[in-house]
Amino acid sequence: DTGVSQDPRHKITKRGQNVTFRCDPISEHNRLYWYRQTLGQGPEFLTYFQNEAQLEKSRLLSDRFSAERPKGSFSTLEIQRTEQGDSAMYLCASRGRAGLQETQYFGPGTRLLVL
Amino acid sequence: DAKTTQPNSMESNEEEPVHLPCNHSTISGTDYIHWYRQLPSQGPEYVIHGLTSNVNNRMASLAIAEDRKSSTLILHRATLRDAAVYYCIRGGTSYGKLTFGQGTILTVHP
Repeated sequence: DTGVSQDPRHKITKRGQNVTFRCDPISEHNRLYWYRQTLGQGPEFLTYFQNEAQLEKSRLLSDRFSAERPKGSFSTLEIQRTEQGDSAMYLCASRGRAGLQETQYFGPGTRLLVL
Repeated sequence: DAKTTQPNSMESNEEEPVHLPCNHSTISGTDYIHWYRQLPSQGPEYVIHGLTSNVNNRMASLAIAEDRKSSTLILHRATLRDAAVYYCIRGGTSYGKLTFGQGTILTVHP
């Protein structure tokens, strides 16, 4: 299967610890998105990469959050000094080079629980 | 925000058609309408999208009102595997990001 993959699938951490998630998009896709989803809500946009450039960041992305896509392929999302409110599903999606209406393909997500 | 309005939940019986409505009364002329669904413990999955004309694919049909202020996702024969949260999303946001609402929880009864 050559879909979007995310690692780890589940993460339990203690408040104050740092965590890092990885996303591997579909290989030919140059556009990559991160979303966050809390229980009972739809996903919320966090940030967008076109190749290695981070072109948009949501106000939800506080200064404890940082995302990178160093070579325009995989991406990482790091949360420093985690808080209980960071508990959520973190979703990655990618799409190809076509117009804005091109389908986004989502990974299975990383479920984070901060104790 | 690109707002759409959907019922919180709907129910259907297996092998019957399902019509999932969505209102997007402030849609602009260039905004596409996208539908994604999310099965339990999975990431969202693309279903269908359209601009003005009705659209069909192997998963579903999308019927768009003539004034484009509403649309309906049609599952022709619901199966138990169609039980999911269905999101109607208005396109046209910057860089193609998707703005999800709360969606419609579809329950399919055997």
